[in-house]
Amino acid sequence: DAGVIQSPRHEVTEMGQEVTLRCKPISGHNSLFWYRQTMMRGLELLIYFNNNVPIDDSGMPEDRFSAKMPNASFSTLKIQPSEPRDSAVYFCASSFNEKLFFGSGTQLSVL
Amino acid sequence: AQSVTQPDIHITVSEGASLELRCNYSYGATPYLFWYVQSPGQGLQLLLKYFSGDTLVQGIKGFEAEFKRSQSSFNLRKPSVHWSDAAEYFCAVGPPGSARQLTFGSGTQLTVLP
Repeated sequence: DAGVIQSPRHEVTEMGQEVTLRCKPISGHNSLFWYRQTMMRGLELLIYFNNNVPIDDSGMPEDRFSAKMPNASFSTLKIQPSEPRDSAVYFCASSFNEKLFFGSGTQLSVL
Repeated sequence: AQSVTQPDIHITVSEGASLELRCNYSYGATPYLFWYVQSPGQGLQLLLKYFSGDTLVQGIKGFEAEFKRSQSSFNLRKPSVHWSDAAEYFCAVGPPGSARQLTFGSGTQLTVLP
């Protein structure tokens, strides 16, 4: 299995632009997580899906952030409009038997 | 509320030396405990986990960890460190059966000297 696949690996954009991050979880995993990692706040859970349904989005910082999971093999995290303080590494993870499997992350820089 | 403390922000060891990374947690009952490793530019990879049973758990890459309920600790150890072990290590705690409620520590950066 190729593991959790995220794209793009790096994204540089200007403030106010829309950003879409993509994730393909491991086949057969029924839970998907979006995390954000920064030096200041460490690893934070943004949103959690179970069987493609958003269960807990309490970690989504603002309405500018939205996430979808249209099917079991694809999820997106969108930021619109983006701001410099959104600069971070965004990780997608899927889980099996309570173990998380992380993608390599998207390094987002908002100028 | 659950919490995790990794007291050491940065540890430096020589290659071949032993390693112990500390992790203390706060949780009302026996939690699920994890150690993850993050290499530069990569996502977190699971090293080992404790759910129940034997308090000494073995993981990948020669790592082990011991759950000590009396000390609320789950320290990670390796008898002989290799240069490729240089990375950041995260301890995580969560309630049984709920991966979405994992709390991660702030991480310990490991540097390995030749």
